Amino acid sequence: DVKVTQSSRYLVKRTGEKVFLECVQDMDHENMFWYRQDPGLGLRLIYFSYDVKMKEKGDIPEGYSVSREKKERFSLILESASTNQTSMYLCASSHTFTGSQPQHFGDGTRLSIL
Amino acid sequence: GNSVTQMEGPVTLSEEAFLTINCTYTATGYPSLFWYVQYPGEGLQLLLKATKADDKGSNKGFEATYRKETTSFHLEKGSVQVSDSAVYFCALSEAGNTPLVFGKGTRLSVIA
Repeated sequence: DVKVTQSSRYLVKRTGEKVFLECVQDMDHENMFWYRQDPGLGLRLIYFSYDVKMKEKGDIPEGYSVSREKKERFSLILESASTNQTSMYLCASSHTFTGSQPQHFGDGTRLSIL
Repeated sequence: GNSVTQMEGPVTLSEEAFLTINCTYTATGYPSLFWYVQYPGEGLQLLLKATKADDKGSNKGFEATYRKETTSFHLEKGSVQVSDSAVYFCALSEAGNTPLVFGKGTRLSVIA
């Protein structure tokens, strides 16, 4: 079974801090994704990556950056956390962009910015 | 651009009732279609998928048929259980370098 592991289930940080959310997958997937999930808004794509050191902006990249130095690890960085970034963050991975390959999700990190 | 529209919830049903969650899509090409489920406190899990017109995806008693003529992929289950209480997401993916496009999700509550 594919396993996508997010480093923390719950995280509390302060406004202005630099925050790192880590995600690791164990199935040698090329593609990795970061979403945030908010009530009434569904899932919104922040960034994705289809190869090591590659990144693409999603729908809401402002205030975030990402890093993919190794194939199995994709990090989401909040450069200077703000209260409007309080949310559930979900990481996902998938095999190549063939359309029929599903994404596999981690359990999420519930991040609170105080 | 591509988009997915789901019926808004929450949906509340009694145990053993019939479930339909509507999903329609807009796509420029020929997408693959998915239903994901999110149980409380967890990430999303793939429930079923269909990759071409008239395909039927099925899993755990849930079914959905890819209808190209109506651009729909409605989720159905004949007899829901309390354990089916979750949020359900419809999604599409086109070939090429495009990530999944998700609907906003439908929360289902099943009461005994």
